[in-house]
Amino acid sequence: RKEVEQDPGPFNVPEGATVAFNCTYSNSASQSFFWYRQDCRKEPKLLMSVYSSGNEDGRFTAQLNRASQYISLLIRDSKLSDSATYLCVVRTSYDKVIFGPGTSLSVIP
Amino acid sequence: NAGVTQTPKFQVLKTGQSMTLQCAQDMNHNSMYWYRQDPGMGLRLIYYSASEGTTDKGEVPNGYNVSRLNKREFSLRLESAAPSQTSVYFCASSRSNQPQHFGDGTRLSIL
Repeated sequence: RKEVEQDPGPFNVPEGATVAFNCTYSNSASQSFFWYRQDCRKEPKLLMSVYSSGNEDGRFTAQLNRASQYISLLIRDSKLSDSATYLCVVRTSYDKVIFGPGTSLSVIP
Repeated sequence: NAGVTQTPKFQVLKTGQSMTLQCAQDMNHNSMYWYRQDPGMGLRLIYYSASEGTTDKGEVPNGYNVSRLNKREFSLRLESAAPSQTSVYFCASSRSNQPQHFGDGTRLSIL
């Protein structure tokens, strides 16, 4: 089993839609969690950190369920500029940071 | 404000050649990482260094060696390049439990 798994995608949604991405991780000792986005194989860029209480940043909401070892990202009112690959990232103990395989999103006019 | 700097940006090698990818960060981060990304796939961790003087294997360490030269620099070496190592290589750094900052990547082709 991979350490971090994500919805395989791709997701093709119309502008204005709400889309949710799911991620699971296998190491129960994992300590911190992030969502990154990546455009056209450029370097990944931080979208948001994920906190235990859940957190929101504008149209983006992240949730963490430690008991189920599950992380989610919700994007509301999708924009064309949201088209990218979304990467779930998990930091285990000893600072090992593992990326999920990514889920591709295309927002269609 | 340089952040994470990787050199070279592009490289073509012949099978069996060796080379070293360089990475330097100016953010005083303790942790540094090397990833590879193959077409259509996510980033896979090759090696990481949680602090100066330590290195650990990641998911795909075979065929690579690393050196944490000092707090700023973390190099990745291919001793005998193989076509299967054709990929985009990303270096990253971070403080403990904080998000990573990435370099622009090195695009490596092995013929």
